[in-house]
Amino acid sequence: GAVVSQHPSWVICKSGTSVKIECRSLDFQATTMFWYRQFPKQSLMLMATSNEGSKATYEQGVEKDKFLINHASLTLSTLTVTSAHPEDSSFYICSASRDSRKETQYFGPGTRLLVL
Amino acid sequence: QKEVEQNSGPLSVPEGAIASLNCTYSDRGSQSFFWYRQYSGKSPELIMFIYSNGDKEDGRFTAQLNKASQYVSLLIRDSQPSDSATYLCAGKNSGGYQKVTFGTGTKLQVIP
Repeated sequence: GAVVSQHPSWVICKSGTSVKIECRSLDFQATTMFWYRQFPKQSLMLMATSNEGSKATYEQGVEKDKFLINHASLTLSTLTVTSAHPEDSSFYICSASRDSRKETQYFGPGTRLLVL
Repeated sequence: QKEVEQNSGPLSVPEGAIASLNCTYSDRGSQSFFWYRQYSGKSPELIMFIYSNGDKEDGRFTAQLNKASQYVSLLIRDSQPSDSATYLCAGKNSGGYQKVTFGTGTKLQVIP
């Protein structure tokens, strides 16, 4: 168990449009989900931590109005990149934790975003 | 100072050898540590986690934790070319807002 899916796996969009990425825990309930961004040849950068039914906690330097996170259920969290620009092009990866102590994170396959 | 530090590598080992990957952390209160493997262009996958001082073995993998020295390592025995990837060390911080901090990863190359 502990399978996490993401949709879509690839997105190409025009500058100024909004893009929604879904993250689902398929075989467990995720009390906490995390959103990361990874630029080429760099490490994971945590963007925000999302708990079901409450507002996400954003890391320093991450604009909450630009990266909207909704964690509507114990199996689904969404990240919306609003008014995307070329500098937002990156690999967005979600992870989910299935225990209340937020220990082990299980990662989704990631979503590649290319903003033209 | 980075909270979790790893040598970026690449670390090259011959097939069949033991690969030793190292990680240090600055938060002395960190309780939990994780090793993830990330293939190029893919998302990380969990290899092992360790909470207690000492060794933890799982198949060809052994995680070692030394809290006094603030040091975590991952040993891969009988290294295979398919083990070639970037290995990420992560630690869960202590304190009220607990989050997992990732190192920048060590690239491992297993030479056939």
